[in-house]
Amino acid sequence: NAGVMQNPRHLVRRRGQEARLRCSPMKGHSHVYWYRQLPEEGLKFMVYLQKENIIDESGMPKERFSAEFPKEGPSILRIQQVVRGDSAAYFCASSPLFASQETQYFGPGTRLLVL
Amino acid sequence: AQTVTQSQPEMSVQEAETVTLSCTYDTSESDYYLFWYKQPPSRQMILVIRQEAYKQQNATENRFSVNFQKAAKSFSLKISDSQLGDAAMYFCAHNQGGSEKLVFGKGTKLTVNP
Repeated sequence: NAGVMQNPRHLVRRRGQEARLRCSPMKGHSHVYWYRQLPEEGLKFMVYLQKENIIDESGMPKERFSAEFPKEGPSILRIQQVVRGDSAAYFCASSPLFASQETQYFGPGTRLLVL
Repeated sequence: AQTVTQSQPEMSVQEAETVTLSCTYDTSESDYYLFWYKQPPSRQMILVIRQEAYKQQNATENRFSVNFQKAAKSFSLKISDSQLGDAAMYFCAHNQGGSEKLVFGKGTKLTVNP
């Protein structure tokens, strides 16, 4: 059973460009979570999605950030007009269907560097 | 608001010895979950151990065990027979019952000395 997949693993963008981060959950998992880790910090929750629905986006910045989890395909975290402060590691996690308090399994993360 | 506090930014242990990492948390709920995740230099987040708050028995996974003190809101991780591969950042996390999001502490960097 393949784990959570994220791509790209490393992404470099210049200020003002767009960043798209992809996450494929583990097989059989339909709950996806995105977290951000700034240098020397723990992970901070951003958004929780189920297929075609955003359930909790209380950790998402109000502007420039959006997330989706379509019926088909991976979950996408999109950052428009990136700024240097967006440089961080972005982790995706997934958990099983009908198991809202199950363990979240993490992907390897995407390291975003904004020049 | 939920908070998770790891009071030890760094710890070190000799190979084959035992080390305990501290974690306290704050919640008003009675039903929740607690986790320890390991982040080695590769920065992959790896689940080490999980504890359900309704269980009085402390969770154990091979060389890893927890000391869960619900009344004190304390959840420490004990690593026995430490190995060089245990060197990593260790994050304590809390998931409030009914909530999907994990709240993480700032981490403890563990060094294992040969």
